[in-house]
Amino acid sequence: AQSVTQLGSHVSVSEGALVLLRCNYSSSVPPYLFWYVQYPNQGLQLLLKYTTGATLVKGINGFEAEFKKSETSFHLTKPSAHMSDAAEYFCAVSGNNNDMRFGAGTRLTVKP
Amino acid sequence: NAGVMQNPRHLVRRRGQEARLRCSPMKGHSHVYWYRQLPEEGLKFMVYLQKENIIDESGMPKERFSAEFPKEGPSILRIQQVVRGDSAAYFCASSPLQTSGNTGELFFGEGSRLTVL
Repeated sequence: AQSVTQLGSHVSVSEGALVLLRCNYSSSVPPYLFWYVQYPNQGLQLLLKYTTGATLVKGINGFEAEFKKSETSFHLTKPSAHMSDAAEYFCAVSGNNNDMRFGAGTRLTVKP
Repeated sequence: NAGVMQNPRHLVRRRGQEARLRCSPMKGHSHVYWYRQLPEEGLKFMVYLQKENIIDESGMPKERFSAEFPKEGPSILRIQQVVRGDSAAYFCASSPLQTSGNTGELFFGEGSRLTVL
């Protein structure tokens, strides 16, 4: 079974500052890892995903995440926050049985 | 290429009525998932279906909730005798049949927002 823990339900950064959203996972099989973003009153959009291969994954809108097996982590980063990045971010994990599970989400606020 | 289509986008029901939420997966997708999102909470898995089969319903409440994905037509999430606590956004997602080349990525609809008065 898979599970995800997102540390910090709310993160606030200033525009131009580094964004770091934390995600730790638990999986009994080699995991597939995902970050999704949700804007108000919308569905979830895929930001990036890790399947196999390179552990540093680049996604849309300048986001990237690094898979660290030894730390069971998949933290999301962006060097410089933009006002349009304000949204809810969900980390997710799936195994080999189409069994995706999501974290509780982190709400990112960007201050001008 | 249409994405995952959910309807209605907004539904208002009075306590005790029934709510039916529909989801048409992306073309070529044979797996459908339903998630519930309560205000200020994350996504909670409810049920995973393939055509005519419920694969995993471990997240479904034991009473009043049911889901189906018939051979023809959309997947339906049905909530009988709704209560105020059922007010939430219900998201449907779909994926193709997972093979060695598929990564299990889900494609989400815009959600159906249920309000129970």
